[in-house]
Amino acid sequence: NAGVTQTPKFQVLKTGQSMTLQCAQDMNHEYMSWYRQDPGMGLRLIHYSVGAGITDQGEVPNGYNVSRSTTEDFPLRLLSAAPSQTSVYFCASSYYGGEAFFGQGTRLTVV
Amino acid sequence: AQSVSQHNHHVILSEAASLELGCNYSYGGTVNLFWYVQYPGQHLQLLLKYFSGDPLVKGIKGFEAEFIKSKFSFNLRKPSVQWSDTAEYFCAAYNAGNMLTFGGGTRLMVKP
Repeated sequence: NAGVTQTPKFQVLKTGQSMTLQCAQDMNHEYMSWYRQDPGMGLRLIHYSVGAGITDQGEVPNGYNVSRSTTEDFPLRLLSAAPSQTSVYFCASSYYGGEAFFGQGTRLTVV
Repeated sequence: AQSVSQHNHHVILSEAASLELGCNYSYGGTVNLFWYVQYPGQHLQLLLKYFSGDPLVKGIKGFEAEFIKSKFSFNLRKPSVQWSDTAEYFCAAYNAGNMLTFGGGTRLMVKP
C-alpha cells in the first residue's frame, strides 16, 4: 500500500516554462487536493477534486490547472511558471471529511 | 469562508516543559478538526483528530487536544515535551461542503 505518491521531489524551472506535478493514490479516496506551503503561511489550497471528473478552485488557483480523469490520479499543471510559484507543493487525498494523507512533497524553484 | 488561526508562530521550550498550542476556527456548523505535525524536511502526519463525542482527544506521542465548541477552539497540549517534538504543527478544520483548511502553523523548538 503506497498511499499518496507524488513526483518529482525536486524541480527547477525557468520563468515561462510549463510542467506537471504528478499525484497518485491507491486508497480509493474520493477527495484529492493540492496545497502549496510557503514560510509563515501554512498550507494554502490550490485546487481540489471530490471525485473523477469533478474539480474546483481553492484559495490560490491562479496559474495552475488540474484534471481528474481517474479516482487515482490528480496532476497539477503549471501553465507558465513564475518566480512567485517557488514553493513546496503537497498532494493529499482523503475520504469525505476524513484524515488527509499527504505525499512527500515537491520542492519547486522557478528562476 | 472558513478560516483557521494559530496564535503562536514560534514557540521555544526546554525539555520536560508543558506545551499548549492555540487553534481557533471560524466555521459555526459541524466541523471535523485535526492537528498535523511536520518534522523537518518531511510531509505532514496526523497527530490527532476530532469528529464528535468526547471533546478531549488523545493522539500519538502523548499529544492531546480539547475541543471547546463555545470558544471555537481546538488547542493542542502535551504535558512534557521532548527534543524530538521539534517540528511545525498545523491545526486544520474540515466542514461539509468545503475542503480542509489549515492554520498558518506553529514552529516548536525544544531545547535539550
